[in-house]
Amino acid sequence: QQQVKQSPQSLIVQKGGISIINCAYENTAFDYFPWYQQFPGKGPALLIAIRPDVSEKKEGRFTISFNKSAKQFSLHIMDSQPGDSATYFCAANNAGNMLTFGGGTRLMVKP
Amino acid sequence: KAGVTQTPRYLIKTRGQQVTLSCSPISGHRSVSWYQQTPGQGLQFLFEYFSETQRNKGNFPGRFSGRQFSNSRSEMNVSTLELGDSALYLCASSPKTGSGELFFGEGSRLTVL
Repeated sequence: QQQVKQSPQSLIVQKGGISIINCAYENTAFDYFPWYQQFPGKGPALLIAIRPDVSEKKEGRFTISFNKSAKQFSLHIMDSQPGDSATYFCAANNAGNMLTFGGGTRLMVKP
Repeated sequence: KAGVTQTPRYLIKTRGQQVTLSCSPISGHRSVSWYQQTPGQGLQFLFEYFSETQRNKGNFPGRFSGRQFSNSRSEMNVSTLELGDSALYLCASSPKTGSGELFFGEGSRLTVL
């Protein structure tokens, strides 16, 4: 019940395209859903996050869509750039700062 | 503001040894969490400390332990190392517990031979 399932595992997108990564969860006690971006050799960096009382949040080219009834949320990267090539993790939090992470999506944006 | 600092960045140990990893959180952050990252298991929560008290603990054996000092700096210790403990150990800090908003360091990469 603590799992967060993320798909796809890898994604190739052309420059200027839209990258979409999906996550699903089971535990309805989760109350905070962040996305992290990780470059090789670096720690994950908080990208954008949403709480379940909001259905969408946009920050620049990054948008989170949240469907509480379906227990799903997704990250959309508009106008994807080669510099966005990284591994993306969705996560969910329900107690303290104990994040449950998805398995990660390796994004490659081709020039 | 300086970010989360972890030391050492890389280390190599042999089976049966123990290791201590250190983490200095962002100034003013009182919550420190530790995560293990491996290719097979991904990112897994180890434990969280807030105001020197362990708030949560993940599903890891008792060989994994930690502590937090009054200045919010934290250490984690792994005793009797096993090959499977080879991983990137990430420390994250947060201004408060319960927010879920974590700021990660670059990690300590442990290799167990």
